Amino acid sequence: AQTVTQSQPEMSVQEAETVTLSCTYDTSESDYYLFWYKQPPSRQMILVIRQEAYKQQNATENRFSVNFQKAAKSFSLKISDSQLGDAAMYFCAYRSGGSQGNLIFGKGTKLSVKP
Amino acid sequence: NAGVMQNPRHLVRRRGQEARLRCSPMKGHSHVYWYRQLPEEGLKFMVYLQKENIIDESGMPKERFSAEFPKEGPSILRIQQVVRGDSAAYFCASSPTVVRTQPQHFGDGTRLSIL
Repeated sequence: AQTVTQSQPEMSVQEAETVTLSCTYDTSESDYYLFWYKQPPSRQMILVIRQEAYKQQNATENRFSVNFQKAAKSFSLKISDSQLGDAAMYFCAYRSGGSQGNLIFGKGTKLSVKP
Repeated sequence: NAGVMQNPRHLVRRRGQEARLRCSPMKGHSHVYWYRQLPEEGLKFMVYLQKENIIDESGMPKERFSAEFPKEGPSILRIQQVVRGDSAAYFCASSPTVVRTQPQHFGDGTRLSIL
């Protein structure tokens, strides 16, 4: 069975600085997808970024980028120029490339942004 | 284009009562996923449905829980004879297909509190 591990329960960053959130996963599959979701206090689940395992190039979305190391099964999220609105829980998630499509989530990292 | 709609936003039940949680997927989406989030935890998959069919219910407790997605109307997650341990946030997500490039879109969740 696939598992997702986020080893940092809490992280803190100064406004305008850069922070990296860690995520590792365990799978025997070669075809899968990885996601980072943001959950602010409002509790919405907002898709931040996604990565297809077959793509070697790291995904980027504005200030958000990932460092995808397939051999190491690592998928970290880098947030550049951190803003107060980035404060939230961040969840790493895995989805098999097979037909079921359900997501497997890590336990989350709570990010605080200091002004 | 309306997003995934869940209602109610908050639901309070006494032990032994029934809880019904509703989810209307995004327009054009025929795949629905239910997840449960316990306090301080990530989301855990419960059940995956397509119209009139349960595809995967491997994450759903065998007793007291049921789900449906009728031809017309929203998907319903039903919890009978609720207990304190059912207190959690329940999220619904939808996708148009399980084609690999399609992410799941989440509703705002229903917070269920058991007195």
